[in-house]
Amino acid sequence: DSGVTQTPKHLITATGQRVTLRCSPRSGDLSVYWYQQSLDQGLQFLIQYYNGEERAKGNILERFSAQQFPDLHSELNLSSLELGDSALYFCASSVGALAYTDTQYFGPGTRLTVL
Amino acid sequence: AQSVTQLDSQVPVFEEAPVELRCNYSSSVSVYLFWYVQYPNQGLQLLLKYLSGSTLVESINGFEAEFNKSQTSFHLRKPSVHISDTAEYFCAVSGSGPGSQGNLIFGKGTKLSVKP
Repeated sequence: DSGVTQTPKHLITATGQRVTLRCSPRSGDLSVYWYQQSLDQGLQFLIQYYNGEERAKGNILERFSAQQFPDLHSELNLSSLELGDSALYFCASSVGALAYTDTQYFGPGTRLTVL
Repeated sequence: AQSVTQLDSQVPVFEEAPVELRCNYSSSVSVYLFWYVQYPNQGLQLLLKYLSGSTLVESINGFEAEFNKSQTSFHLRKPSVHISDTAEYFCAVSGSGPGSQGNLIFGKGTKLSVKP
């Protein structure tokens, strides 16, 4: 158990809908990262927040947005969903802001299925 | 830009045999290299990482990886695998400075299947 929790575990929805994925980081970690894992694209970094502020952005679509709240939990919002958004979405957390050296601890993921 | 290539998508091996999972990277800046493992239906866990210093890094469960700058490689090895090592292994690179994306770039993964 990494100490990172993600809810829900599974999510099934229809095209055009909007969903929210939630992540609670390990106690003491200030950074939260979101990743998308799909069969064709592999594991792709989406976005990083550090202590409430956006720190880095990766391959995140404009239809997707995220935020980190004062209690440090984070939410990833996916809107106007398409079939191609079906994937496993991971949240990870780390102590500091330096994504390139800090150890990232991954949650169990949320499996999103868009029908 | 940085990238990672894992040359083998699947590696089947018998229990107690040695294994090498290959990883090559490209980067124009100083690199930091990682191996993560993903067991079925779980998130990723850090196996080992190279930041600086000794080019040979080891994990607590018998895996080791060697950073080879001239060959731009960071291959993962284990002299004798167990059934419990069956998992998917991801190599990742990150870097700092101009030209780096500052975050982890993952390879496509290698599925290690250990057979009795």
